[in-house]
Amino acid sequence: GDSVTQMEGPVTLSEEACLTINCTYTATGYPSLFWYVQYPGEGLQLLLKATKADDKGSNKGFEATYRKETTSFHLEKGSVQVSDSAVYFCALSYNQGGKLIFGQGTELSVKP
Amino acid sequence: GAVVSQHPSRVICKSGTSVKIECRSLDFQATTMFWYRQFPKKSLMLMATSNEGSKATYEQGVEKDKFLINHASLTLSTLTVTSAHPEDSSFYICSARGLLAEPDEQYFGPGTRLTVT
Repeated sequence: GDSVTQMEGPVTLSEEACLTINCTYTATGYPSLFWYVQYPGEGLQLLLKATKADDKGSNKGFEATYRKETTSFHLEKGSVQVSDSAVYFCALSYNQGGKLIFGQGTELSVKP
Repeated sequence: GAVVSQHPSRVICKSGTSVKIECRSLDFQATTMFWYRQFPKKSLMLMATSNEGSKATYEQGVEKDKFLINHASLTLSTLTVTSAHPEDSSFYICSARGLLAEPDEQYFGPGTRLTVT
């Protein structure tokens, strides 16, 4: 079946460091891919998305490119801030009914 | 943006009792609501999908008689954990989607931490 695998956390970085959170997926079709972020005490929020191969999603300095050949959707940011500390979830959906399949989440902690 | 609330945020109940969790869309009409369960260090697992006015669709392996879902209005869905046991302790999250929303436009509640003693 379809699944999403993320790198294990927690990831601890210093402010202004580069971030990469790996995400790979297994899918029988051609899903859309998403990154969600969950700040402490809040609900999940959509961070960015890509709906087809080679699309790049971007938001708030974060980027991820839909790589069909490697079945990956790695999240990157060139310079993280303390306010980026959160749990990040990679997910896929076939856009039919809105069902999302999530990875296990990666906790990011950014130190000043 | 759209806001989804959950109540309570935390609940502790005794084994064998039932507990109800509410999910409300505060500023839009949610034709579809989703209920997820999240274990520590684990991904969110979809439990069921509910459409307003109809029976919920449960994912494989989820006991529908244990996890009762009601979506009686366009702004409220409830999840009732019946005869709760310690293994039901978890973080329960709902999300909601409006009629005209894009398929990926889901808005998530902040979650409810259930502890069964």
